[in-house]
Amino acid sequence: GENVEQHPSTLSVQEGDSAVIKCTYSDSASNYFPWYKQELGKRPQLIIDIRSNVGEKKDQRIAVTLNKTAKHFSLHITETQPEDSAVYFCAAGGTSYGKLTFGQGTILTVHP
Amino acid sequence: NAGVTQTPKFQVLKTGQSMTLQCAQDMNHNSMYWYRQDPGMGLRLIYYSASEGTTDKGEVPNGYNVSRLNKREFSLRLESAAPSQTSVYFCASSAQYSNQPQHFGDGTRLSIL
Repeated sequence: GENVEQHPSTLSVQEGDSAVIKCTYSDSASNYFPWYKQELGKRPQLIIDIRSNVGEKKDQRIAVTLNKTAKHFSLHITETQPEDSAVYFCAAGGTSYGKLTFGQGTILTVHP
Repeated sequence: NAGVTQTPKFQVLKTGQSMTLQCAQDMNHNSMYWYRQDPGMGLRLIYYSASEGTTDKGEVPNGYNVSRLNKREFSLRLESAAPSQTSVYFCASSAQYSNQPQHFGDGTRLSIL
């Protein structure tokens, strides 16, 4: 089955800096790659997603890039703010098995 | 529009007890999922239902059973709870089972003593 590796496990940045989280996946048939943000004690919430027919997608300060050949995708957050502090999960899916496989998560801390 | 609703929000059980976690969605989604989240382990899929009338095992199905009661409701049952099943359980739904966003409920925090 699919295996998703996420790095780093923790990331600490100063307010205004950029943050990058990277994920690799194993199943070349995967074609859907969402990113979720989970604040402490809350539900995971979708922040951005990308499909395999697109190389990059942006939404304000957030962008995701996908390299199908290398089977990796990344989340980029620019001009970070303290409210960006949370756990971020990447996931891969869209195969015939119909499941999303999640990465282990990255704890992002943005210091004021 | 409530989205995905899970009950109960918190529960404490003794080893060997049984219970059912309830999940309902009001988004007319076809697919529903149950995950467990343990510290440092991310989200692991227990069971999913691609459409009404079907259920399939996920990554960690042992010790659990599910029922897709109708299109809206998907329940998770622990027949004989074990301390290893202490976790936060999330239900999610999506329009289609393969490549659509999943929407999560608020979770059930379950402790088994």
